[in-house]
Amino acid sequence: EVHLVESGGGLVQPGGSLTLSCAASGFTFSTYWMHWVRQPAGKGLVWVSRISKDGTTTYADFVKDRFTTSRDNAKNTLYLQMNSLRDEDTAVYYCASYDTSGYYYYYWGKGTLVTVAS
Amino acid sequence: EIVLTQSPDFQSVTPKEKVTITCRASQSVGDRLHWYQQKPGQSPKVLIKYASQSFAGVPSRFSGSGSGTDFTLTINSLEAEDAATYYCHQSHILPITFGQGTRLEIK
Repeated sequence: EVHLVESGGGLVQPGGSLTLSCAASGFTFSTYWMHWVRQPAGKGLVWVSRISKDGTTTYADFVKDRFTTSRDNAKNTLYLQMNSLRDEDTAVYYCASYDTSGYYYYYWGKGTLVTVAS
Repeated sequence: EIVLTQSPDFQSVTPKEKVTITCRASQSVGDRLHWYQQKPGQSPKVLIKYASQSFAGVPSRFSGSGSGTDFTLTINSLEAEDAATYYCHQSHILPITFGQGTRLEIK
């Protein structure tokens, strides 16, 4: 059974940094593109970033130069390094992956809450 | 960026009713349009892939149609457990985008 488990969320001051992790199990992590998607409280889903099997990354414009996505295939873990955090980055952050058969999100973690506030 | 606009934003419906949710894209996404259901406190779950393809395990009352810019999610004979927020998602062009969501309340 596939599991994606996010961790590392918490309260951080504006301008601060935080690193999220997503531990994957139950599938061959190294063969999947992985994504981060966030959801502010009571609002919709917003794509943040993706990383290819070999580490090529793409970001939403609103996080470029502030967030860095990486992966460690040996540890089956996805990361999101977040710097220069803003109030508007407050959200539940999900890691998710496409299915092997197509470009839709089949696997989702339960999410980790990031709160940016002073 | 492709903007996905869902309609309606909210709908209050009775069990056994038929529900139609639409998703309009600001430019063509071909058939790379997918539908998700999210219940409170849970992660999203995919219902329909590539506009109209269903999944094993998803109740047959859920169906999708459309192509290009106009898409529809239909729920036939609504059940109480269908109370949730529904999102469309396009994977045709970066950045990946989602609709704003449609919340269904069961009366």
